[in-house]
Amino acid sequence: AQSVTQPDIHITVSEGASLELRCNYSYGATPYLFWYVQSPGQGLQLLLKYFSGDTLVQGIKGFEAEFKRSQSSFNLRKPSVHWSDAAEYFCAVGARGSNYQLIWGAGTKLIIKP
Amino acid sequence: DAGVIQSPRHEVTEMGQEVTLRCKPISGHNSLFWYRQTMMRGLELLIYFNNNVPIDDSGMPEDRFSAKMPNASFSTLKIQPSEPRDSAVYFCASSSQQGLGSPLHFGNGTRLTVT
Repeated sequence: AQSVTQPDIHITVSEGASLELRCNYSYGATPYLFWYVQSPGQGLQLLLKYFSGDTLVQGIKGFEAEFKRSQSSFNLRKPSVHWSDAAEYFCAVGARGSNYQLIWGAGTKLIIKP
Repeated sequence: DAGVIQSPRHEVTEMGQEVTLRCKPISGHNSLFWYRQTMMRGLELLIYFNNNVPIDDSGMPEDRFSAKMPNASFSTLKIQPSEPRDSAVYFCASSSQQGLGSPLHFGNGTRLTVT
C-alpha cells in the first residue's frame, strides 16, 4: 500500500536558521507530491507541488522542495525561518490510479525559538 | 474571495445527538471534499463530490454519517447519532476542477466534541 512518512513529529528551529522537513513516500511510478501547511486553528494551505519536470520546486512563503527519485524523498526547505512559519506541515502524495485522492503524512510540527 | 466557509467553528454535543456541519465552497469550484482530522488517524477523506454528485464515499466511517450537496454552494455532513469517538476536527475543502492539479482550499474546520 502507498504510504507517506514524515519521520519528525516535532522540529524546533531558531528564528533565522535554515529548515529542512523530511518526507519519504512509497510509490511505483512518478508520484504527484505536495506540501501543505496548517497554521493553528486554521485549515491547510498548499505550499507547493511537484508533478514532473524540474525536481526543485519553488513555493509560496519562500519554501522550496526537492524531488529525489533515488531516495523516494520530497524534502521541504527554507533558508531562513520566521516566527510566522510556526505551524504543522503535511506532505502528501497522489494516490495511484486516482485523480482526487491524496495519501497524507502524519505531519511535522515546526516550533520556532526566538 | 471569502474562501471556504464552515460552520459552526466549534460544536459540543452529547452522545446520541444529531450533529450537522455546514460548508460553503468557493464560488465556481466544482469539487468538494470532507475530511476528518484526529491525532490518532491524521487526515482522512470522508467523501468527495464533483458537480454536486457524490463520487466517492468509501471513507464515510459508518451509516451514522451522511453528506449532501444540494447545490454548488452548500454541503452538509451529518452524524446521527453521534458518539464520543466522532470527536475530531472536520474540514471541508474545495477545488476549482477535478484532478490533482487543482489545489485544495480548506475551510478553518469545525471542532466537534461529543461527550
